[in-house]
Amino acid sequence: QQQVKQSPQSLIVQKGGISIINCAYENTAFDYFPWYQQFPGKGPALLIAIRPDVSEKKEGRFTISFNKSAKQFSLHIMDSQPGDSATYFCAADYNAGNMLTFGGGTRLMVKP
Amino acid sequence: DAGVIQSPRHEVTEMGQEVTLRCKPISGHNSLFWYRQTMMRGLELLIYFNNNVPIDDSGMPEDRFSAKMPNASFSTLKIQPSEPRDSAVYFCASSFEGRKLFFGSGTQLSVL
Repeated sequence: QQQVKQSPQSLIVQKGGISIINCAYENTAFDYFPWYQQFPGKGPALLIAIRPDVSEKKEGRFTISFNKSAKQFSLHIMDSQPGDSATYFCAADYNAGNMLTFGGGTRLMVKP
Repeated sequence: DAGVIQSPRHEVTEMGQEVTLRCKPISGHNSLFWYRQTMMRGLELLIYFNNNVPIDDSGMPEDRFSAKMPNASFSTLKIQPSEPRDSAVYFCASSFEGRKLFFGSGTQLSVL
């Protein structure tokens, strides 16, 4: 019930392309869905987050799409750049951020 | 602010030894989290504190693990005795009454 499933595990995209990472959840009590970005040797850092009352949120080249009925959400990275190469984690929470459940992570590589 | 500070960055120890990981949260934050990251299990929440009080330790793997937060600016995670399966990256994170978690750079623990 707490699980968040993330796909794909790894992704290779050409510079300028669109990177798409998907997540699905089961627990309908989740009400906060953040994405974290992690570079090697560093801790995860909050990238963008959405609440289920909206279907889309955009910040620069990063967009979250949320489908409440399907219990799915995704991260789109437009005009992907080599500097975007990192591991991305989706997460979900129902307790004001105190019980984040993370997906398994997606290792993104953007080729020049 | 320097962010969440963890020490040591790397720890190599032998099975059976006691290991102590340290964390200094961001000043003013009132929630502190300990996470463990492994390839097999991803990011797992071990325990979280609110206003220095442990709120949920259901993620602590077993009695060999213990965590303390004696004051608002310091927390420790102790493993005694350590085992090879405890090898992982341990992250500390903090937040202030909200959902944006700030992670430290982690402690890479290797138990031989």
